Amino acid sequence: QQQVKQSPQSLIVQKGGISIINCAYENTAFDYFPWYQQFPGKGPALLIAIRPDVSEKKEGRFTISFNKSAKQFSLHIMDSQPGDSATYFCAASGANDYKLSFGAGTTVTVRA
Amino acid sequence: DAGVTQSPTHLIKTRGQQVTLRCSPKSGHDTVSWYQQALGQGPQFIFQYYEEEERQRGNFPDRFSGHQFPNYSSELNVNALLLGDSALYLCASSFRQGNQPQHFGDGTRLSIL
Repeated sequence: QQQVKQSPQSLIVQKGGISIINCAYENTAFDYFPWYQQFPGKGPALLIAIRPDVSEKKEGRFTISFNKSAKQFSLHIMDSQPGDSATYFCAASGANDYKLSFGAGTTVTVRA
Repeated sequence: DAGVTQSPTHLIKTRGQQVTLRCSPKSGHDTVSWYQQALGQGPQFIFQYYEEEERQRGNFPDRFSGHQFPNYSSELNVNALLLGDSALYLCASSFRQGNQPQHFGDGTRLSIL
């Protein structure tokens, strides 16, 4: 039973475009929502994270939007670059449950 | 500042064998978690170690066991290997207090023949 559902499975975007990845969760005890970026042959690298006391967080070209009532959060990659081509995972964990529950991943391909 | 380091990077075993994977956490971190990532899937939580004790466990059989040492490094042991155990095994470290971010190593690629 996957606790975090991620979509789409893959997407292709032109250089300079916006990539949008969506995640949904059911467990209301989740209070930490990170996004990881993974390149082939590498481990996941923490990209950006949000806690439910804010609705949006921006770091450079990456923005997380969080909707607590809908139990959804999304990653926006602005001005996508070929170097952003990777697999992105959303995840969630709870205050007293430190394990990360991951989505299935989204493979992003940025065309030059 | 060294990040999370794992060894070995690749390993080939046959069914029924046993394997030990190792992890050194990021400097300043006291908690180590292990994840299994099958090809094309998200990582699945195996267990977490803090203060040399297993604190949480995911849905994995007892063939998977671990250990944490006083210097916070950790080992993952898998007995009686099955073909389905072929995966990337990831170690993540964090600071326990306040559900802090987990940082991953590059993993050990385990192939079972």
